[in-house]
Amino acid sequence: DVKVTQSSRYLVKRTGEKVFLECVQDMDHENMFWYRQDPGLGLRLIYFSYDVKMKEKGDIPEGYSVSREKKERFSLILESASTNQTSMYLCASSLFRNTGELFFGEGSRLTVL
Amino acid sequence: TQLLEQSPQFLSIQEGENLTVYCNSSSVFSSLQWYRQEPGEGPVLLVTVVTGGEVKKLKRLTFQFGDARKDSSLHITAAQPGDTGLYLCAGHTSGTYKYIFGTGTRLKVLA
Repeated sequence: DVKVTQSSRYLVKRTGEKVFLECVQDMDHENMFWYRQDPGLGLRLIYFSYDVKMKEKGDIPEGYSVSREKKERFSLILESASTNQTSMYLCASSLFRNTGELFFGEGSRLTVL
Repeated sequence: TQLLEQSPQFLSIQEGENLTVYCNSSSVFSSLQWYRQEPGEGPVLLVTVVTGGEVKKLKRLTFQFGDARKDSSLHITAAQPGDTGLYLCAGHTSGTYKYIFGTGTRLKVLA
């Protein structure tokens, strides 16, 4: 079974804290993505990576950074968390560059107080 | 900016009823995917359509890609409580890594 695992299902952090969200996939996929999901807004792309150490900004990268040191692992970093970053964060991976199925993790619900 | 609008946003129906969810854009997409997301889970792919006018069936679910590849619909026949979830469409443009997700339709089927 293909699997995308996100390290934390629920996190509560304080404003200004540094937050790490980890994502691991076991499918040897080239592409990995971080999305943010908010009600009524669908999924919005934060960052994606098409290879180790390669990354591209998505639609809403401000306030976020990413790291991909190994093919299977893609980390999302909030350098200084703010309340407007309270959201559901979804990691995904895909094999093909175009038209490929996205495999999602279960999500990490982050609350910033 | 490419946008995908889904309608309706919310739908609550009785078991056995039929329903249609729409996904519309002013942009042309190379392909369009439909995902279903259940509470506490990530979205799971239901279907990918790539040809204008294409119709795909998955048991009681029928997916159609518009002739101009700007819109799509999902029709569910005889809905069951197990169909409850958030339905998301996602458009993809050839040559990019980006999938543009729709705003979502939250469906609740009552027994």
